[in-house]
Amino acid sequence: AQRVTQPEKLLSVFKGAPVELKCNYSYSGSPELFWYVQYSRQRLQLLLRHISRESIKGFTADLNKGETSFHLKKPFAQEEDSAMYYCALSRTSGNTPLVFGKGTRLSVIA
Amino acid sequence: ETGVTQSPTHLIKTRGQQVTLRCSSQSGHNTVSWYQQALGQGPQFIFQYYREEENGRGNFPPRFSGLQFPNYSSELNVNALELDDSALYLCASTSTGLAGGREQYFGPGTRLTVT
Repeated sequence: AQRVTQPEKLLSVFKGAPVELKCNYSYSGSPELFWYVQYSRQRLQLLLRHISRESIKGFTADLNKGETSFHLKKPFAQEEDSAMYYCALSRTSGNTPLVFGKGTRLSVIA
Repeated sequence: ETGVTQSPTHLIKTRGQQVTLRCSSQSGHNTVSWYQQALGQGPQFIFQYYREEENGRGNFPPRFSGLQFPNYSSELNVNALELDDSALYLCASTSTGLAGGREQYFGPGTRLTVT
């Protein structure tokens, strides 16, 4: 069965500190992994996807197939990073639905 | 380019009633997916429509049904509402068939409260 686990419900860090939001997955195949973000009073939006291998707003995420993880990292947190973050996966072939984790609320303290 | 829109923004229904939620997909998108997000949970896939036909379904009972229209807009219908149906219902659109066009764009959601 496909499953995404985000072990932290809430993560509080000070401004300028490093951030790591954890995501582990279980999937019998080769998945595509995503991070979605929801800022206050805004809709859910894509932050990054592993196949793009790009850095968005200073965030990066590396897919570790051995550990089945896709942790989201940023070296220096900013107050505007405070939001709800969801890790999600889908099959790599076709236009398949997303399986989401329960989300982690990141709070960056000034 | 117009984003995904949903209506209504929120509504309150009584247990046993029926409800219809609406979604207009982003311009150029032909695939619509519906998700249910209960409080404190991540979105959970209900079903997906492509070219007016259901193209995948999650673990939801048959009283959850949908439609997609020729203009790619979509409806989610829920019959015999139960208290546990109270949630945020999200619609997401994407464009099937385009290389790299698989990002799902989400609407703002409809907050349904069942009393």
